[in-house]
Amino acid sequence: DADVTQTPRNRITKTGKRIMLECSQTKGHDRMYWYRQDPGLGLRLIYYSFDVKDINKGEISDGYSVSRQAQAKFSLSLESAIPNQTALYFCATSATSSYNEQFFGPGTRLTVL
Amino acid sequence: QKEVEQNSGPLSVPEGAIASLNCTYSDRGSQSFFWYRQYSGKSPELIMFIYSNGDKEDGRFTAQLNKASQYVSLLIRDSQPSDSATYLCAVRGAGSYQLTFGKGTKLSVIP
Repeated sequence: DADVTQTPRNRITKTGKRIMLECSQTKGHDRMYWYRQDPGLGLRLIYYSFDVKDINKGEISDGYSVSRQAQAKFSLSLESAIPNQTALYFCATSATSSYNEQFFGPGTRLTVL
Repeated sequence: QKEVEQNSGPLSVPEGAIASLNCTYSDRGSQSFFWYRQYSGKSPELIMFIYSNGDKEDGRFTAQLNKASQYVSLLIRDSQPSDSATYLCAVRGAGSYQLTFGKGTKLSVIP
């Protein structure tokens, strides 16, 4: 089945460490997104990309960077992790032709100590 | 700042009843409205979306928009225990590719 996968699924790290979260998809979608979800705050958009050469900041991009290595791969990096980046991170994809339909990956639970 | 507000719940309804979920939005120019379902520990999945020009029915689910009062609702008919989940409302503003999500309403359907 065409799918969205995220690695790792769980990660515990320490303050100041560099962390990369990876997202891959086999849906053939050109648009990819990174969100974080915090209890009581809902889902918030970090970055989004409409193709390999197009990267856009979302609502809360500070402290994060991304890389679109290929149409199917979109990575999120935390250059120097801090405790308030502890959250559940979701990657999502959509097709340009049906951009309203976003499909979410299973999520990565990140804990920064 | 664009805001989407939802009652966090929990909203409890008996099996077979109609569940009514609501959210309000602050951006009057919003054009697309989304309802996602998220089971505990799982990722959000899209139930349905509507544009500013009308309501939509899909099986047991109906999404309705009240533009004048700036709220959107999701009705779930013949509620089932499997409908127990958190329901996220999201809104896309005019000319924007970004979705603004509410914090979600937890629904519990009691057998």
